Amino acid sequence: AQSVTQLDSQVPVFEEAPVELRCNYSSSVSVYLFWYVQYPNQGLQLLLKYLSGSTLVKGINGFEAEFNKSQTSFHLRKPSVHISDTAEYFCAVSQAQGAQKLVFGQGTRLTINP
Amino acid sequence: ETGVTQSPTHLIKTRGQQVTLRCSSQSGHNTVSWYQQALGQGPQFIFQYYREEENGRGNFPPRFSGLQFPNYSSELNVNALELDDSALYLCASSLGGLADIQYFGAGTRLSVL
Repeated sequence: AQSVTQLDSQVPVFEEAPVELRCNYSSSVSVYLFWYVQYPNQGLQLLLKYLSGSTLVKGINGFEAEFNKSQTSFHLRKPSVHISDTAEYFCAVSQAQGAQKLVFGQGTRLTINP
Repeated sequence: ETGVTQSPTHLIKTRGQQVTLRCSSQSGHNTVSWYQQALGQGPQFIFQYYREEENGRGNFPPRFSGLQFPNYSSELNVNALELDDSALYLCASSLGGLADIQYFGAGTRLSVL
C-alpha cells in the first residue's frame, strides 16, 4: 500500500516570493509521483509528474519538483509566485503496476498575499 | 477545460436514499476512475472501470457501485446514503496506461441531510 504526507496544511507567502510545498511518500513498490492543483469550485489539474529518468521535473505555470528516492520526497517549488497561484495543491502517488489508482495527500492550501 | 463533464453539479439527498452520479469521459479515453473528496481532505479512490469492467477498487463498502457504458461514460451509484457520504465526487478519465494522465471533471457536490 502507498501513503502520502503533505507536511504543511497551509502555506502563506508574499507575491513574487519563492515557495516550496513539501511531500513525502511511503510505498513498498515502485511508484509514479504527481502534483495536482485545485482551484475553488473546480476539479484537479495536473501540474507535473515523475515517471523515471531525471529527478528534476518541470511542469506548467513555472512549477518544478524534485524526486528524492533516498528521502522518499517529491517537493514542489516555484521561484516566484503570483496571486493566481492561490489554490489547493495535492501530491499523489500511483503504483507502477496494476490499475492506476492515485493515492493523494491531505493537500496544502497556498495563499499568496500582495 | 479537460473535456470530462459531470452531472449534476450539486445534489441534496436525505439519509437512506439512493443517488446516481454521471460522468462523460474525454473523447478517446476508455478508463474512468471515481474519487470521493471529503471537505478539507484529499481525494480517495473509490473504483476504476476499464472497457466496461471494474479494474480496481478502493476501501469503500459494496453500497458504492458503478457502471461503464460502451461509449465509456460512467455512473456512480450510492445506496442507503449516510451523512458521511457528503462530499465532492470526482470523475477522472484516461487512456488506461499506468503512466497516463488522469483528467478530472469539476465534480458533483453531494450533501446528505
